[in-house]
Amino acid sequence: NAGVTQTPKFQVLKTGQSMTLQCAQDMNHNSMYWYRQDPGMGLRLIYYSASEGTTDKGEVPNGYNVSRLNKREFSLRLESAAPSQTSVYFCASSEAGRGALTDTQYFGPGTRLTVL
Amino acid sequence: RKEVEQDPGPFNVPEGATVAFNCTYSNSASQSFFWYRQDCRKEPKLLMSVYSSGNEDGRFTAQLNRASQYISLLIRDSKLSDSATYLCVVNTWVASGAGSYQLTFGKGTKLSVIP
Repeated sequence: NAGVTQTPKFQVLKTGQSMTLQCAQDMNHNSMYWYRQDPGMGLRLIYYSASEGTTDKGEVPNGYNVSRLNKREFSLRLESAAPSQTSVYFCASSEAGRGALTDTQYFGPGTRLTVL
Repeated sequence: RKEVEQDPGPFNVPEGATVAFNCTYSNSASQSFFWYRQDCRKEPKLLMSVYSSGNEDGRFTAQLNRASQYISLLIRDSKLSDSATYLCVVNTWVASGAGSYQLTFGKGTKLSVIP
């Protein structure tokens, strides 16, 4: 049981390049999330998906797109990377989702992205 | 006032010590609370949930004071393996649109347990 997996673990991009961060979970969770974590700041939600085919913007969605292809996978795309997107990106999943009082989230190991 | 505030630390304590972290939240509508642990360069992992006045799990005790809007985490008999950053997380109902619960993460408090 791998839980939540993310690829790649590390990535360096040049300004203007594009890339897709991949996330998959094997816990049969309905809800999935993408966060970014920057030094001196709490985790901030980029996008949220309550179920396959549905996505909602979080606190900091600008510059990102997401795709929930199926129940297992939730990808995050940077179309034109900027230095301000240098961060650690975490994917998470939960059974209950944002409609629940008790939403325990399980995180993947993270992707460390540097944009030069 | 920030939504979720934590003392960033670091807290440097000797093995065996008792240490307490506080977390304050600004939205009185917040309804459930969590402590997550994050090791250096790793992902956050759930440590404890707090739905009523408190919760205890072995050496860890979380307490909630709704009137003063703060949550605390007490660690007794600190171990070297407790060294990590502890994130306070608050779950709040947001009524916009259909409404949903939304998590807000604190910046974390760093703990170093020293031999």
